[in-house]
Amino acid sequence: KAGVTQTPRYLIKTRGQQVTLSCSPISGHRSVSWYQQTPGQGLQFLFEYFSETQRNKGNFPGRFSGRQFSNSRSEMNVSTLELGDSALYLCASSQGQEPYEQYFGPGTRLTVT
Amino acid sequence: GQNIDQPTEMTATEGAIVQINCTYQTSGFNGLFWYQQHAGEAPTFLSYNVLDGLEEKGRFSSFLSRSKGYSYLLLKELQMKDSASYLCAVMDSNYQLIWGAGTKLIIKP
Repeated sequence: KAGVTQTPRYLIKTRGQQVTLSCSPISGHRSVSWYQQTPGQGLQFLFEYFSETQRNKGNFPGRFSGRQFSNSRSEMNVSTLELGDSALYLCASSQGQEPYEQYFGPGTRLTVT
Repeated sequence: GQNIDQPTEMTATEGAIVQINCTYQTSGFNGLFWYQQHAGEAPTFLSYNVLDGLEEKGRFSSFLSRSKGYSYLLLKELQMKDSASYLCAVMDSNYQLIWGAGTKLIIKP
């Protein structure tokens, strides 16, 4: 089975711009979760989508949004980028039911200048 | 609030045994996970505990005590490639994963 893929792998944007990141889960997985990882903060949960519905949401501002398509692929959008949004964005897929273990993609490294 | 605590950094010697502790306070409990993350890479799944007791998987074992809100990851016969961060995560009553900040494990020859 192919693993979780994320595109692009690296991105450089300027403040005020917006960005869209894409995640393709493992075939058959219906849940996709998004995380932000920075050196001092560890993994911060953004949101989880299951069968095209947002099932859980973390404590991030409304500039961060996402969606999931019928083929379980997911996109994450960040509008009005700020310097503090520079981070590694990871997506993880799971079956969404037992077993719940998540499988991570390689991440998208976003740098905001 | 919800909280996961684990040591920031630990050092151990190649061939030895190390135990990484994790304590948690969450809204409900639907399982505890351990992940390994090498520098610059994505986390990879190590273990899942939902019942009290010890789960053994090769050189790695994970223990859970739900009454104490406590888990540990035990690594035996340490190898240099075990140098990584180890992340503890708890699934709460909403089936959301709450993550600890991770323990950086340094293995010395």
